[in-house]
Amino acid sequence: DTAVSQTPKYLVTQMGNDKSIKCEQNLGHDTMYWYKQDSKKFLKIMFSYNNKELIINETVPNRFSPKSPDKAHLNLHINSLELGDSAVYFCASSQGGGGKTEAFFGQGTRLTVV
Amino acid sequence: RKEVEQDPGPFNVPEGATVAFNCTYSNSASQSFFWYRQDCRKEPKLLMSVYSSGNEDGRFTAQLNRASQYISLLIRDSKLSDSATYLCVVGQSGGSYIPTFGRGTSLIVHP
Repeated sequence: DTAVSQTPKYLVTQMGNDKSIKCEQNLGHDTMYWYKQDSKKFLKIMFSYNNKELIINETVPNRFSPKSPDKAHLNLHINSLELGDSAVYFCASSQGGGGKTEAFFGQGTRLTVV
Repeated sequence: RKEVEQDPGPFNVPEGATVAFNCTYSNSASQSFFWYRQDCRKEPKLLMSVYSSGNEDGRFTAQLNRASQYISLLIRDSKLSDSATYLCVVGQSGGSYIPTFGRGTSLIVHP
């Protein structure tokens, strides 16, 4: 069983569209994250979600919004996509609050905005 | 100043070499430290946690220096399969911990 799974793996879309990326973890973790990895390979935290507490990186545009229907899911919704949004987006989860324990990553979603 | 800084490399070494990476962090209240490995077009995976007393896992040794706020990773007897990007990760405090990644150090081990 895949511990952290993301769908889709690849996403190609036009500027201005709205898209969602889904993430599910079956590890029973209480904290989930979204990271963006740009063309320079820098992994940048976007959101951390723990027991309904959302921590937002203030540099993330409000076109990006995380949605968590339950503890095992943290989806990422993006409005009005821009060329600069092209990147690989990783979902991750950990137990006991961010940074204290190992984070497990999904395989990533490669988003290309054309 | 960036929160977590690493030399991006690449470090190009022959098989069997010993190579060391350093990472510095800016938040003195940081509580947890890790090294992750990321292969090309793959997700990051935990290589090892870093403890205050230092720790070793086979050919890999991690050290933490809180006074100087840096973490190191030493790889002995490098293998071709060690070629990857090594990411330093620090758990930042402040309300909730958020794992913050360095930019990664690229290692290329050649025959």
